[in-house]
Amino acid sequence: EVQLVQSGAEVKKPGESLKISCKGSGYSFTSYWIGWVRQMPGKGLEWMGIIYPRDSDTRYSPSFQGQVTISADKSISTAYLQWSSLKASDTAMYYCARQSSTTRPFDYWGQGTLVTVSS
Amino acid sequence: QSVLMQPPAVSGAPGQRVTISCTGSSSNIGAGYDVHWYQQLPGTAPKLLMYGNYNRPSGVPDRFSGSKSGTSASLAITGLQAEDEADYYCQSYDSSLSGSVFGGGTKLTVL
Repeated sequence: EVQLVQSGAEVKKPGESLKISCKGSGYSFTSYWIGWVRQMPGKGLEWMGIIYPRDSDTRYSPSFQGQVTISADKSISTAYLQWSSLKASDTAMYYCARQSSTTRPFDYWGQGTLVTVSS
Repeated sequence: QSVLMQPPAVSGAPGQRVTISCTGSSSNIGAGYDVHWYQQLPGTAPKLLMYGNYNRPSGVPDRFSGSKSGTSASLAITGLQAEDEADYYCQSYDSSLSGSVFGGGTKLTVL
């Protein structure tokens, strides 16, 4: 059974750093892209970027380039999304999802990680 | 402002048919890239509902259908049921952004 399991909810202060994770199982982790999607409270889905764990090829949405870093450790089938200095506006639910190629659908999704940034 | 445009809300009575449109441009839907649809029930992660414009994943009822023409796509739901009340999102690939784009989402209310 394909599963993407994300790390738990986080509460952080502005300026702090954070790294959340997404662990894949039940499929060949290095054969699929992992994408990250933001959903701000009461808002829609926003594509942030994707990574191909086999060679770490990474693409970012222009809206998120320079704001976050996407990485992966194929040895433990885990992808990451990290911030070096959080802002209150980063408060959102973050989902990881799997794609077989960059034009294909996101066929499996993680359960989401809620990030709350508040002083 | 989302790259793919959807109506913010649609509604229908049980048993009726509703459609949700998704309008793009020459760099995404109009360029021939497939459109995919997701259903997000309250408090849950999005779920793939339709892929490749009109293909249903296993387990999705045939009450759901998809189509695409030119720079637009549509999701139709027939025989509306209370359990269909959710947010629906379209998604495609955009060549100018070199990545995926989502529609702003449509809230379906079953009256």
